[in-house]
Amino acid sequence: EDQVTQSPEALRLQEGESSSLNCSYTVSGLRGLFWYRQDPGKGPEFLFTLYSAGEEKEKERLKATLTKKESFLHITAPKPEDSATYLCAVQALRYGGSQGNLIFGKGTKLSVKP
Amino acid sequence: DSGVTQTPKHLITATGQRVTLRCSPRSGDLSVYWYQQSLDQGLQFLIQYYNGEERAKGNILERFSAQQFPDLHSELNLSSLELGDSALYFCASSALNTEAFFGQGTRLTVV
Repeated sequence: EDQVTQSPEALRLQEGESSSLNCSYTVSGLRGLFWYRQDPGKGPEFLFTLYSAGEEKEKERLKATLTKKESFLHITAPKPEDSATYLCAVQALRYGGSQGNLIFGKGTKLSVKP
Repeated sequence: DSGVTQTPKHLITATGQRVTLRCSPRSGDLSVYWYQQSLDQGLQFLIQYYNGEERAKGNILERFSAQQFPDLHSELNLSSLELGDSALYFCASSALNTEAFFGQGTRLTVV
């Protein structure tokens, strides 16, 4: 069964204190791994897609990396506006190469204090 | 703005009632996904449509049904509502082999 586990559940950082969020996954044929940011009461906002082990993507203070079993979201010198829940999701390959649905982890709630 | 539009934003209804949630995907996206998000369960996949046809089903209750119309908008119908159905319902859309973009959700409260 395809599964995604995120840790920690919650993370409190001081402004400027860098850290990493973890996403461990098992999937029968990975088409892609996705990171989303979600603010309270809002829809998830797309951040990154990673397709193969060794791939890295960066956007401002965020950097996502991928191995065969897990992904990390590194946050460098975070600011209070980075406070949100960060969601990881995997998408499996289906027969014939079509894309499956996204399977989400429960997220990491990040709080950055000034 | 993701380009995915969901209506209504909020819905309050009584137990036993039936409601319809509507989703307009991004222009050109053929896939539509429905997700339910409650406090203790995270985002749970309900159902996927691709160009009008059902493509995949998740843990969708028999009381729930969905369809995608020729203009590609989708509707999620929830019937015989129970208190436990109170949640945020999200629609997402994607083009072929691309990432999914989410709407702002419909907050359903069953009283």
